[in-house]
Amino acid sequence: GQNIDQPTEMTATEGAIVQINCTYQTSGFNGLFWYQQHAGEAPTFLSYNVLDGLEEKGRFSSFLSRSKGYSYLLLKELQMKDSASYLCAVSDSNYQLIWGAGTKLIIKP
Amino acid sequence: DTAVSQTPKYLVTQMGNDKSIKCEQNLGHDTMYWYKQDSKKFLKIMFSYNNKELIINETVPNRFSPKSPDKAHLNLHINSLELGDSAVYFCASSPPGQGPEKLFFGSGTQLSVL
Repeated sequence: GQNIDQPTEMTATEGAIVQINCTYQTSGFNGLFWYQQHAGEAPTFLSYNVLDGLEEKGRFSSFLSRSKGYSYLLLKELQMKDSASYLCAVSDSNYQLIWGAGTKLIIKP
Repeated sequence: DTAVSQTPKYLVTQMGNDKSIKCEQNLGHDTMYWYKQDSKKFLKIMFSYNNKELIINETVPNRFSPKSPDKAHLNLHINSLELGDSAVYFCASSPPGQGPEKLFFGSGTQLSVL
């Protein structure tokens, strides 16, 4: 079956760095997405990786290793507004998105 | 200028009732979706339409019927609501393309069936 695993919850301190991991097993691979979802709101797109390596976008970076079925989202200089759930999703061979359950990130002052 | 708008935001209803959720996007996208997010926060695709035609229909009870009058609208009608239908329902759209595209989500409809 298809599976996306990511930690349920993480806690970090304002100003620090946090890495949220995602491992996947899917039938085919056409890219990996990270979305941010604040409580009670819709998910919003953060990043997309289809080739191995690191994609940097401001304070957020996303890494992909296709051979390991692994990605991480790196958040630097954490701010209180970064408290949210972070969803990992993989596009499979049929271009259907398979979603993880999300990692709830709690930022403490 | 809301890109993907869905109404209502909250829907509280009794078991057995029939209800509809409306969705509209003004992004000019060809593909629209309905997702269900349960209490464990898993997002599961229910339906996908491309240019008014159904392209994905996951294992969803036939009490759920999507309707796309044009490519900017995808409404969801639910018959004979059950307790297990309580969830947040998200409409989404994506631009045309040959590969995976990022999704633009509506603000969600929290459905509570009593």
